Amino acid sequence: DAGVIQSPRHEVTEMGQEVTLRCKPISGHNSLFWYRQTMMRGLELLIYFNNNVPIDDSGMPEDRFSAKMPNASFSTLKIQPSEPRDSAVYFCASSSGGGRFGNQPQHFGDGTRLSIL
Amino acid sequence: EDKVVQSPLSLVVHEGDTVTLNCSYEVTNFRSLLWYKQEKKAPTFLFMLTSSGIEKKSGRLSSILDKKELFSILNITATQTGDSAIYLCAVGGSGNQFYFGTGTSLTVIP
Repeated sequence: DAGVIQSPRHEVTEMGQEVTLRCKPISGHNSLFWYRQTMMRGLELLIYFNNNVPIDDSGMPEDRFSAKMPNASFSTLKIQPSEPRDSAVYFCASSSGGGRFGNQPQHFGDGTRLSIL
Repeated sequence: EDKVVQSPLSLVVHEGDTVTLNCSYEVTNFRSLLWYKQEKKAPTFLFMLTSSGIEKKSGRLSSILDKKELFSILNITATQTGDSAIYLCAVGGSGNQFYFGTGTSLTVIP
């Protein structure tokens, strides 16, 4: 079975440019999560969706970040304009369940390593 | 504020040693606690714990949860160099959200 698929794997761009990260969750999973990981702050939850609806975006650092999930099989995380401090590894994860069955394990994509010069 | 704290932050041991990693939490509406192993890429799932006192085992790894004292431990016996990784603890709260600790970096020396 295909896991969570993220693209691109690496992105290097100049400050001020728009960056779009993409994620395809595991088929049948109803929750999708975007994380950012840095050495200093570890793994931080940015936003998560349940059934394509954003549930909690309190982790989104500022208005330069936006995320969409137009359908159950695709999500994007956009940074506009990008800044050097946005450099990090961005992970997408998906899971099933929730509700009365409790939280289910999240399956992570391989991440996008983003470098803003 | 919900939080998950892992200790130690890093650990260096020799092959064959036994290690214990700690995870304490304060999370509203606790639902589950998960352990992940992260090597060079994405975190991979190890255990999911929902009930106190029931040990989960997988080979040389085992984990247990104490919901009264709000912590979990992850034990690795007879460590091998392939166990070198960052071990992440995550606690599920309301909805389907998880709160992650900053991880314990384990290095196993031959």
